[in-house]
Amino acid sequence: SQQGEEDPQALSIQEGENATMNCSYKTSINNLQWYRQNSGRGLVHLILIRSNEREKHSGRLRVTLDTSKKSSSLLITASRAADTASYFCATVIAAGNKLTFGGGTRVLVKP
Amino acid sequence: DAMVIQNPRYQVTQFGKPVTLSCSQTLNHNVMYWYQQKSSQAPKLLFHYYDKDFNNEADTPDNFQSRRPNTSFCFLDIRSPGLGDAAMYLCATSRGSGGTGELFFGEGSRLTVL
Repeated sequence: SQQGEEDPQALSIQEGENATMNCSYKTSINNLQWYRQNSGRGLVHLILIRSNEREKHSGRLRVTLDTSKKSSSLLITASRAADTASYFCATVIAAGNKLTFGGGTRVLVKP
Repeated sequence: DAMVIQNPRYQVTQFGKPVTLSCSQTLNHNVMYWYQQKSSQAPKLLFHYYDKDFNNEADTPDNFQSRRPNTSFCFLDIRSPGLGDAAMYLCATSRGSGGTGELFFGEGSRLTVL
């Protein structure tokens, strides 16, 4: 089974609205990462948050991590049509050297 | 620009006809990964190399093999593709020191099996 599970599976919003997606995982992690994937393309790294961090920001992106609940959230503020993509969380388990991806959230931002 | 390049971007093969997908990187990263991604699903790790050290995932079929002749290149060989092997194959790299950091992905190779 997957290490990360994402919720919701799909999200449709209007341009300018915020988009929030959540990721839950099962085992202790070294770090958690978020990636974006445009249709038919490779994945692009967005943010990495380490297990001892609780929140990180990058431009319009905000990521939180709650290790007690084994969950993370990605917030995209003031969304744009160009944010339309699939977003994946991925975890590195403690002492591991590989990334395991969750199922992803498909985000559609309507102009 | 430094990057991860996959070839071909699109590959069509016949059932049972061997296929090789290639990946090259100019990042000089220690670790190279191959992921399989089926439609609307999460990327699934097939195997990875840490330098020359090959690490196979337990559930990767024997039909899938990999070669890493040098730091820059890595190949995915599918010996006898079946219909279920139709997918996007993604190559990625990372520095691999101090725990896995950011992965750098290529644009993928989409495999169609007829």
